[in-house]
Amino acid sequence: ETGVTQTPRHLVMGMTNKKSLKCEQHLGHNAMYWYKQSAKKPLELMFVYNFKEQTENNSVPSRFSPECPNSSHLFLHLHTLQPEDSALYLCASSQAGASGRRNNEQFFGPGTRLTVL
Amino acid sequence: AQTVTQSQPEMSVQEAETVTLSCTYDTSESDYYLFWYKQPPSRQMILVIRQEAYKQQNATENRFSVNFQKAAKSFSLKISDSQLGDAAMYFCAYRRGQGAQKLVFGQGTRLTINP
Repeated sequence: ETGVTQTPRHLVMGMTNKKSLKCEQHLGHNAMYWYKQSAKKPLELMFVYNFKEQTENNSVPSRFSPECPNSSHLFLHLHTLQPEDSALYLCASSQAGASGRRNNEQFFGPGTRLTVL
Repeated sequence: AQTVTQSQPEMSVQEAETVTLSCTYDTSESDYYLFWYKQPPSRQMILVIRQEAYKQQNATENRFSVNFQKAAKSFSLKISDSQLGDAAMYFCAYRRGQGAQKLVFGQGTRLTINP
């Protein structure tokens, strides 16, 4: 595998279900991000992790719970979601703080299309 | 807070012609980066081109170039010799400074290429 991978690619869940989205980066990066892309709003950041530590939470509801066990893996645990949470969830990674500004570029995964019934 | 605005929800161009996508942004920062990302129907977000705010020279990547007007806070993307594979959503994005900083995206412009 190369780049950034996300599983599953598609997920349908009920409002009472608990599920998890997984992201894995194979680029040796130290920062990972969750973004949400919904039909009616611009792409927006949810969480940032730098060296496994959460450095930004963009006022995300607690029904979304991120986990970053190491610099290569990022999870988004979902529980009691609402239909308005249906969206494309994108994961990205970057090499933050390295010399050479080009290393700060964010590389995106293919996304998980989530539908909440 | 930083904001990014793309005022063209949709654009279309004839194959082999040139098209320009507009983007304006608002920030009080002096150290920042600007990006254009392409999102084809596959939904994979692909970086097209980047511009460092401290550089006066406009970035170019093959058929893609930008017109960076720092004082006007404008950052347009020009696609020359448009190809069918250029059809996609194009997002302008802003990132402040260094390190693990979030990208702030515009609303996107859907580009259609007419054969």
